[in-house]
Amino acid sequence: KAGVTQTPRYLIKTRGQQVTLSCSPISGHRSVSWYQQTPGQGLQFLFEYFSETQRNKGNFPGRFSGRQFSNSRSEMNVSTLELGDSALYLCASSPYLGEKLFFGSGTQLSVL
Amino acid sequence: AQKVTQAQTEISVVEKEDVTLDCVYETRDTTYYLFWYKQPPSGELVFLIRRNSFDEQNEISGRYSWNFQKSTSSFNFTITASQVVDSAVYFCALSEAPGANSKLTFGKGITLSVRP
Repeated sequence: KAGVTQTPRYLIKTRGQQVTLSCSPISGHRSVSWYQQTPGQGLQFLFEYFSETQRNKGNFPGRFSGRQFSNSRSEMNVSTLELGDSALYLCASSPYLGEKLFFGSGTQLSVL
Repeated sequence: AQKVTQAQTEISVVEKEDVTLDCVYETRDTTYYLFWYKQPPSGELVFLIRRNSFDEQNEISGRYSWNFQKSTSSFNFTITASQVVDSAVYFCALSEAPGANSKLTFGKGITLSVRP
């Protein structure tokens, strides 16, 4: 079974731009979560989707949004990028809510 | 609010030494899960173990063992006879409301370096 796939692996943007990151969960997994990892704040929960519905959201500004499609694939979007948004964005999937998470390798976003 | 503390930030050992990674957690919930994840240089978090709050039995898996003590709110991880391949960042995490969501609260992580 293929693991969680995140694209792109690396991304460079400038302040004020917007970005969309993509995540394909493990086949059969219906829950997708997103986490932001930075050296200062560590790993922080962004949001979780199940059956195309956002089930839980972390403490991030409205510039961070996401969605899940009917095939369970998910995208997250960050608008009006700030320097502090530079981070590794990790996607994780699980069969259902509350199950253990399987993580992808992440998208490394650099905002210049 | 939940909190996970990994007081050790970096540990360096010589191959074949035993090493213990500490984890202390805070939660008001009576039902929760505790996790350990490993993050190698490739970036992805690799699941190691999940422990239910009602199960205080210690667990051993090969060279890995975990000690869960509710009395001290600790969930420590020991690697016996460490190997170079164990070099990675290790995260302890806490999940409340299991079954309701998969949100994890992570500690800051411990960077383990195993020298040949």
